[in-house]
Amino acid sequence: KQEVTQIPAALSVPEGENLVLNCSFTDSAIYNLQWFRQDPGKGLTSLLLIQSSQREQTSGRLNASLDKSSGRSTLYIAASQPGDSATYLCAVSSQGGKLIFGQGTELSVKP
Amino acid sequence: KAGVTQTPRYLIKTRGQQVTLSCSPISGHRSVSWYQQTPGQGLQFLFEYFSETQRNKGNFPGRFSGRQFSNSRSEMNVSTLELGDSALYLCASSLVGRLGTGTDTQYFGPGTRLTVL
Repeated sequence: KQEVTQIPAALSVPEGENLVLNCSFTDSAIYNLQWFRQDPGKGLTSLLLIQSSQREQTSGRLNASLDKSSGRSTLYIAASQPGDSATYLCAVSSQGGKLIFGQGTELSVKP
Repeated sequence: KAGVTQTPRYLIKTRGQQVTLSCSPISGHRSVSWYQQTPGQGLQFLFEYFSETQRNKGNFPGRFSGRQFSNSRSEMNVSTLELGDSALYLCASSLVGRLGTGTDTQYFGPGTRLTVL
C-alpha cells in the first residue's frame, strides 16, 4: 500500500531564505508526482508535475526533483516571500486519476 | 479558460440527511476525481470518472456514490449523513488522465465545505 510522508510538518522561515520541503513514498512504482499549494480553506493549486521518467521540473522560483528509486522528492523554493505562506502537499499517482497525498508541510514566511 | 467549479461552496446538513455536490470540470477535460479532506485523515481519494464510467474507487462506504454526465460534469452523493462526513470535498479534473502523457495533471476546484450537525 502506497504511503506518502512529508517532512517537516511545519516550517517557519524569514523572508528571503531558500528552503527545501521533503516528500517520501514507499512504493517506487509511480507514474508521476505532483506538488500542490493550498491556502487556508481553499482548493489546491498545482505547482509542478514530474513524470516518473523525469528527474526535475522548474517553474520560476520553484524546483522539484524526483528520485524514484529511493522514493524521494524535494521542492526547493528560492528567495521565499510572505506570499509563499501556505500548506504544500505532494501526491503520487500510480493509477489513473487516483492521487495519494502526504499530510502536507505548513510553511510560514515571516516579513 | 474557466477553472474547475464546484457548487454549492458551503452546506450545512443534519445527521441522516443526504446531500448532492456538483463539479464542472475545465472545458475539454474528461476525467473527474473526487477527494475528501479532513484535519485528521488529510486528503483521501473517493472515486474517478472518465467518459461517464467509474474507473477508480477509494475505500469509502457505499453511502458515497457519484456519477458523470455526457458533458463531463460530475455529481457526488452522500446518503445517511454522519457527523464524520463533515469535510471539505474537492473535485479535480484532468484532460484525459492517461498516465505518463502529460495529460494527467489534475486541476482542483475550490471545494464544497460540508458540515453535518
